[in-house]
Amino acid sequence: GENVEQHPSTLSVQEGDSAVIKCTYSDSASNYFPWYKQELGKRPQLIIDIRSNVGEKKDQRIAVTLNKTAKHFSLHITETQPEDSAVYFCAASHNAGNMLTFGGGTRLMVKP
Amino acid sequence: DSGVTQTPKHLITATGQRVTLRCSPRSGDLSVYWYQQSLDQGLQFLIQYYNGEERAKGNILERFSAQQFPDLHSELNLSSLELGDSALYFCASSPSGSEQYFGPGTRLTVT
Repeated sequence: GENVEQHPSTLSVQEGDSAVIKCTYSDSASNYFPWYKQELGKRPQLIIDIRSNVGEKKDQRIAVTLNKTAKHFSLHITETQPEDSAVYFCAASHNAGNMLTFGGGTRLMVKP
Repeated sequence: DSGVTQTPKHLITATGQRVTLRCSPRSGDLSVYWYQQSLDQGLQFLIQYYNGEERAKGNILERFSAQQFPDLHSELNLSSLELGDSALYFCASSPSGSEQYFGPGTRLTVT
């Protein structure tokens, strides 16, 4: 089955700096890659996703890149703000409506 | 608010007991997914239902079962509970072939 590895497990940045979180996956049949943000005690919230037919997708301060050949994808957050502090999870699945396999999560701390 | 509702928010029970967690998907969403989130195992897929039928099964224990009713709400039944079953249980829903939206979760504590 699919295996998703996520790095780093914790990331501390200064407000205004950029943050990058990386994930690798094992199943070459995976073609849908969402990112979720989870604040303490809250539900995972979808923040951006990418499908395998594109290499990059942007939404304001966040972007995701996908390298299907290398089987890795990354989340980029620019101009970080304290409210970006949370745990971020990457995931992979064969299709958007299929089960998600999650990475282990990255705790992002943005220091004011 | 994702539009997915889950009850109860918190549940405290003893080992050996049985509990039922309930999920109502977003209006119009046919798929319901159950995930378990524990400190040591992260977010793990348990089971998916689509329009009342089981669609996919993950690492769900035999002591756990689920169903989706004609009104599309779903229930996850956990029986013979063990201390290790203590976790957050999330339900998610999606329209056919689309992204998944998570509910607020049920925090289960087994004592």
